[in-house]
Formats: sequence, C-alpha cells, structure tokens
Amino acid sequence: EAGVAQSPRYKIIEKRQSVAFWCNPISGHATLYWYQQILGQGPKLLIQFQNNGVVDDSQLPKDRFSAERLKGVDSTLKIQPAKLEDSAVYLCASSLDVGAYGYTFGSGTRLTVV
Amino acid sequence: DQQVKQNSPSLSVQEGRISILNCDYTNSMFDYFLWYKKYPAEGPTFLISISSIKDKNEDGRFTVFLNKSAKHLSLHIVPSQPGDSAVYFCAASDSNTGNQFYFGTGTSLTVIP
Repeated sequence: EAGVAQSPRYKIIEKRQSVAFWCNPISGHATLYWYQQILGQGPKLLIQFQNNGVVDDSQLPKDRFSAERLKGVDSTLKIQPAKLEDSAVYLCASSLDVGAYGYTFGSGTRLTVV
Repeated sequence: DQQVKQNSPSLSVQEGRISILNCDYTNSMFDYFLWYKKYPAEGPTFLISISSIKDKNEDGRFTVFLNKSAKHLSLHIVPSQPGDSAVYFCAASDSNTGNQFYFGTGTSLTVIP
C-alpha cells in the first residue's frame, strides 16, 4: 500500500510571499488531515476533511491559510501571505473514515519563512 | 492550552534495558490514546494504541499502560534497541467529539549501544 505523499519536501520563502503544499492520501481513505508542527512542539490540527467536506477547521488561521480537497482525494494547503511564525513542518495524514483511529502520516513539508 | 503533556523532552537508556516514556493529559473526556514514533525527516508512524476500557495493551516489546484516575499513560519498551532511538509522541482523543487527536510535545529517546 502506497503511503501518504506530500510535496514539496522543503520550501524556503520570504515573509509576505505565498506558498502551497500538496497531499495525496492513501487510496480509499476518506478522511484527510493537515497538521502543523512547530519545532519543539507536537503536531497541531489545522483542518480535517471527510471526503471533500470540511469536518473541523476551528484552528485554521483563516485570514491567511486556506485548504481544499477537490473531488475528495488530493488536497492543497495554502498560506498567503506567510509570516515568520509559519515556519514549521506541515504534515498531512489520512485515515479510512472519521471513526477510524490511527492516522497514517506523510513525511511532511518543512517550511522556512525568512 | 496544552491538553497532553510529555514533561521529559529527552531520555537516554542503555541497550537491553527498559525505556519508560510518560504522558499526562488534562481532559477527562479523552478515551482513546495513541503513541507515535518519529524519525528525523519522516512523518510520525503509529506505534500502539489503548482505549479507556483497558488499562494495558501489549504489542511485542511495546506496552502501553493507562491510569485513568491519574490521567496518565506510559509506554514501556523492553528490551530497548538502538533502532528505537526516535522522538515519541503521545496523542489523545475524545471519541464523542470526532477523532481529532491532541499531541504532546514529544520525548526524544536515545538508546545507547
């Protein structure tokens, strides 16, 4: 079974620029999550999708972050404009459905904002 | 507000000995708990889980203990191996409000050969 694919692996941008991350979940996994992991902290949920609908985006800074999951498969997370404090690893994870425990994480995208 | 806490940022253990990683939580509604293991430059990988109806779950060298009254869980690795060196995260969820997991800050385990 192929894992959760994420790209790019690394990204360096200047503050106020825009950036987008891409995630392809495990085939058949209906639930997709985006987590932000700041250095020295545990992952924090940004947004959760069930198919192409949003289940929880309460911790997504909506003034600058947006995410979509068109067709209920791939997902993109965008930051516009980026701030220095957005420097983090952005992890995508998927699970079979909302009631399934134990996500599978991708390798993450490490974002550095300078 | 950190609902899941791992108060030891790092732990060093001799190969062959027991590693004990601790985790505390504040929300009494949490009823499902996971441990993840993370190597550098990789995403976290699922290790072991426990639900609140149990107080122990074992999988090979890994055992998770849950003390609901103390809101505490621990991961025991016996015997520890150098390949176990990684960052370990505990995570907790309230299944009645969906399956968002709250993660601790992680404990970096080093197993010394």
